[in-house]
Amino acid sequence: TQLLEQSPQFLSIQEGENLTVYCNSSSVFSSLQWYRQEPGEGPVLLVTVVTGGEVKKLKRLTFQFGDARKDSSLHITAAQPGDTGLYLCAGPNTGNQFYFGTGTSLTVIP
Amino acid sequence: NAGVMQNPRHLVRRRGQEARLRCSPMKGHSHVYWYRQLPEEGLKFMVYLQKENIIDESGMPKERFSAEFPKEGPSILRIQQVVRGDSAAYFCASRQYMNTEAFFGQGTRLTVV
Repeated sequence: TQLLEQSPQFLSIQEGENLTVYCNSSSVFSSLQWYRQEPGEGPVLLVTVVTGGEVKKLKRLTFQFGDARKDSSLHITAAQPGDTGLYLCAGPNTGNQFYFGTGTSLTVIP
Repeated sequence: NAGVMQNPRHLVRRRGQEARLRCSPMKGHSHVYWYRQLPEEGLKFMVYLQKENIIDESGMPKERFSAEFPKEGPSILRIQQVVRGDSAAYFCASRQYMNTEAFFGQGTRLTVV
């Protein structure tokens, strides 16, 4: 059973387009993190959202945490080739584990 | 403050040999996680350790794989008698406390020939 489901799994868009990636769970998380992983590298933390309904912006990236703290979204405005990578959501449960989403592989075509 | 350090970055082993992967967490971090990633796939949890203790090894194969995080020194993921199916990228992450972010190393890419 996958605790965090991401959609879409693969996404290929043209440079300049907007996109949204979703991270959903049936469980409540105290916080959710978003990571980006480029080929051959480890995941790099982008942002942490903690409060239900919270919205955080990182340049062209907008992250939102659902009111019930069960889901999150990542919206990218005017995507650029440098945004290409694997986007992962992740979060801790009430125990010891740190769960990762299934990942969204984004390709931005110049 | 150095990040999570993993070594080696690349490791080639023949079938039947042993592979040792090392992870030095960020300073002050006492929680270490190991993940495996196959090409074009997401991260699969293997094991969660705190200093000198294995907290959760539910994601680790029962045979040939072991992990430790001693009081002094790096965390070690050990794979005995490697097979081709063990070829993957292995990532280590560390956290300071239970509800803080995890930071990743750059991974070790294991190739079994």
